[in-house]
Amino acid sequence: DAKTTQPPSMDCAEGRAANLPCNHSTISGNEYVYWYRQIHSQGPQYIIHGLKNNETNEMASLIITEDRKSSTLILPHATLRDTAVYYCIVTESGAGSYQLTFGKGTKLSVIP
Amino acid sequence: EAQVTQNPRYLITVTGKKLTVTCSQNMNHEYMSWYRQDPGLGLRQIYYSMNVEVTDKGDVPEGYKVSRKEKRNFPLILESPSPNQTSLYFCASSLFKGAGGYTFGSGTRLTVV
Repeated sequence: DAKTTQPPSMDCAEGRAANLPCNHSTISGNEYVYWYRQIHSQGPQYIIHGLKNNETNEMASLIITEDRKSSTLILPHATLRDTAVYYCIVTESGAGSYQLTFGKGTKLSVIP
Repeated sequence: EAQVTQNPRYLITVTGKKLTVTCSQNMNHEYMSWYRQDPGLGLRQIYYSMNVEVTDKGDVPEGYKVSRKEKRNFPLILESPSPNQTSLYFCASSLFKGAGGYTFGSGTRLTVV
């Protein structure tokens, strides 16, 4: 029973913003949205996470809708090195529970 | 440099020969976890540990053992490997309460023949 739904693949032109959507309509109040990416058989890499406010760091921005049922990861200026599988994960973050369940993710291809 | 170190990176072994994949982190993280990744099945959690001497099963624990005798190390033990354990394995660690997310190791590609 997947907690998140992501498109299987997306293309993005190099230099453009990549907007990766994620639906999590059954998210509960104490669950966070995490984003990871995996570049070709390397270990997954943490990108960003949020609860209800929008978040930004040096890698990306995370926009969470007001009802928290969906979110968008934004890579502002995609480069070829951003080609990867991106995973949206909903999980509790706190005492006694910190398990990550990876779905199939979105394969992002950045095109020259 | 903050990192999770797995060894070995590649391993070919025979059915039934006990093996251990080591995992060590230098970030004083409390949470550690093992995943396996198979084509079409994605990343699946094998075992996790919330602290020293505290471990629990993930989604696919059969055929594996773990131990957490000290905070920095979380070895994965295959007592009697079988070909269906051929996979890409990742170790990961995280601070308590998940601040900053998990840091993953570079992976161990295991082949059991």
